[in-house]
Amino acid sequence: GDSVTQMEGPVTLSEEAFLTINCTYTATGYPSLFWYVQYPGEGLQLLLKATKADDKGSNKGFEATYRKETTSFHLEKGSVQVSDSAVYFCALSGSRLTFGEGTQLTVNP
Amino acid sequence: GAVVSQHPSWVICKSGTSVKIECRSLDFQATTMFWYRQFPKQSLMLMATSNEGSKATYEQGVEKDKFLINHASLTLSTLTVTSAHPEDSSFYICSARESGETNEKLFFGSGTQLSVL
Repeated sequence: GDSVTQMEGPVTLSEEAFLTINCTYTATGYPSLFWYVQYPGEGLQLLLKATKADDKGSNKGFEATYRKETTSFHLEKGSVQVSDSAVYFCALSGSRLTFGEGTQLTVNP
Repeated sequence: GAVVSQHPSWVICKSGTSVKIECRSLDFQATTMFWYRQFPKQSLMLMATSNEGSKATYEQGVEKDKFLINHASLTLSTLTVTSAHPEDSSFYICSARESGETNEKLFFGSGTQLSVL
């Protein structure tokens, strides 16, 4: 069945550091891939998405590229801010929405 | 943007009692709602899918008599954990979408932390 494996957290960075959160997936067919973000006390929000191989999703300075050859969808940001502190979930949309375990990111001033 | 309100945010109850969690779509008609359960440091596990006016479809291994789901209106779904036990302690999350929309238009509640003593 479908599965998503995310980089284990928590991740702690200083402001303006480079961020990478790894995500790999297993799926049949060609699912859409998503990154969701959950800020403290709020629901999950869609951060970015990619619907086919080599697509790059981007939003709020975050980027992720759909890599079919490596079955990956790593999340990156060149310079994180304190306000980026949240839990990040990688997900794929096959027959259902399948989530990774979530990665807690803390950015310190 | 679309908002899904989930209440309560946290609840503590005694073993053997029942707990109801509400999920409301505030500015759209949620024809389909999903209920997830999340254990610490684990992914969201889909428990059931409910369509307005129909019986919920439960995932394999989820006890339908234990986790009662009602979706009687286009803006409200409820999850009732019946005769709760400590092993039911978990974080429960709902999500909702309109008819015909894809998972790109799926909106989530902020979750409910259930602790059963």
